[in-house]
Amino acid sequence: AQSVAQPEDQVNVAEGNPLTVKCTYSVSGNPYLFWYVQYPNRGLQFLLKYITGDNLVKGSYGFEAEFNKSQTSFHLKKPSALVSDSALYFCAVRFPSGGYNKLIFGAGTRLAVHP
Amino acid sequence: DGGITQSPKYLFRKEGQNVTLSCEQNLNHDAMYWYRQDPGQGLRLIYYSQIVNDFQKGDIAEGYSVSREKKESFPLTVTSAQKNPTAFYLCASSPTGTGVYEQYFGPGTRLTVT
Repeated sequence: AQSVAQPEDQVNVAEGNPLTVKCTYSVSGNPYLFWYVQYPNRGLQFLLKYITGDNLVKGSYGFEAEFNKSQTSFHLKKPSALVSDSALYFCAVRFPSGGYNKLIFGAGTRLAVHP
Repeated sequence: DGGITQSPKYLFRKEGQNVTLSCEQNLNHDAMYWYRQDPGQGLRLIYYSQIVNDFQKGDIAEGYSVSREKKESFPLTVTSAQKNPTAFYLCASSPTGTGVYEQYFGPGTRLTVT
């Protein structure tokens, strides 16, 4: 079955340290991958996406993500965390079959950046 | 300002009542979506529409209904048949076509049914 996993419910990081939020997927074929961020009681904001090409994708607010086909992973990273990065992060996968833009979301990872 | 609006932000209803959540977009997107968000479960797709006057069930459509009479609007009705309606509801839209498009989300409506 096609699925997305975010293995950590919460990630704690000190401000200024690098952060990583993990995402793995299970699919046949080559998926399209997305990261979104959600602040409390708000909708989701798009951060970045991987379609094809360079495995390192750069996105909004200094975030980047690395696609690893052999490990079926798409981890979100940032070299230096800010307190304002504290939020809920979702990984999503779109499977390329058909024209329908269906996304499957992971359960989310809460990032807490401490001063 | 282009975007997606959802109203109201908070909604309270008694059990057994139907309730309609509004979603409007001025992004000129063909596709619109409704998701339900529960703690620890991510987003689950309720209904989606790729074009006016057409919509399809998502993964958890039971107890919900939608209409798509205008490109800009995609209201969701939570019926009394939905057994656990209290949740955060998110509307989204996206272009359609051969590209790979992200979905744009509204601010959400938090529904509480007692």
